[in-house]
Amino acid sequence: AQRVTQPEKLLSVFKGAPVELKCNYSYSGSPELFWYVQYSRQRLQLLLRHISRESIKGFTADLNKGETSFHLKKPFAQEEDSAMYYCALSLYSGAGSYQLTFGKGTKLSVIP
Amino acid sequence: ETGVTQSPTHLIKTRGQQVTLRCSSQSGHNTVSWYQQALGQGPQFIFQYYREEENGRGNFPPRFSGLQFPNYSSELNVNALELDDSALYLCASSFFGRGTEAFFGQGTRLTVV
Repeated sequence: AQRVTQPEKLLSVFKGAPVELKCNYSYSGSPELFWYVQYSRQRLQLLLRHISRESIKGFTADLNKGETSFHLKKPFAQEEDSAMYYCALSLYSGAGSYQLTFGKGTKLSVIP
Repeated sequence: ETGVTQSPTHLIKTRGQQVTLRCSSQSGHNTVSWYQQALGQGPQFIFQYYREEENGRGNFPPRFSGLQFPNYSSELNVNALELDDSALYLCASSFFGRGTEAFFGQGTRLTVV
């Protein structure tokens, strides 16, 4: 079964420290992966996707097919990074449609 | 350009009742997906609508059904509500196809008592 695993429920780091949010996936095909973020009292929104290979708000994520991972990284955490982060895998669900399969999420808390 | 809006924000229903949740897509988007998010879990795909037809479904029973209207707005209907249906229901709109960004609404919190 295709799935997404985020092993950490909660991650606490000090401001200015590096951040790595882990994501592992299980998928037999060519994966398409995303990171979504939910700030307090805001809706779920896209942070970045692996195909664009861009850096958003200082975050990057590299797809490692050998390790089936898509970890989210940032060299220096900021207080405004505190949020819930979800890793998601795009799966074909039939008739040309694609669905997102989400991990359970990791809550990042940046300590001032 | 308007974002995805859902109504109502909160809802309390009794077990066995039926409920309808509504979603207005972001302007220009032609695809709507619905997700269920239980407490402490990630969103779980229910189904997707494109051209007013369901064209993808997750592992949810038939009592979960939906509609998409010509203006791309959508409804999620749940019959014979069960206690386990208590969750946050998210609507997401996008363009049809792989890799397109999904824009989420703020969700409807459904409580079944």
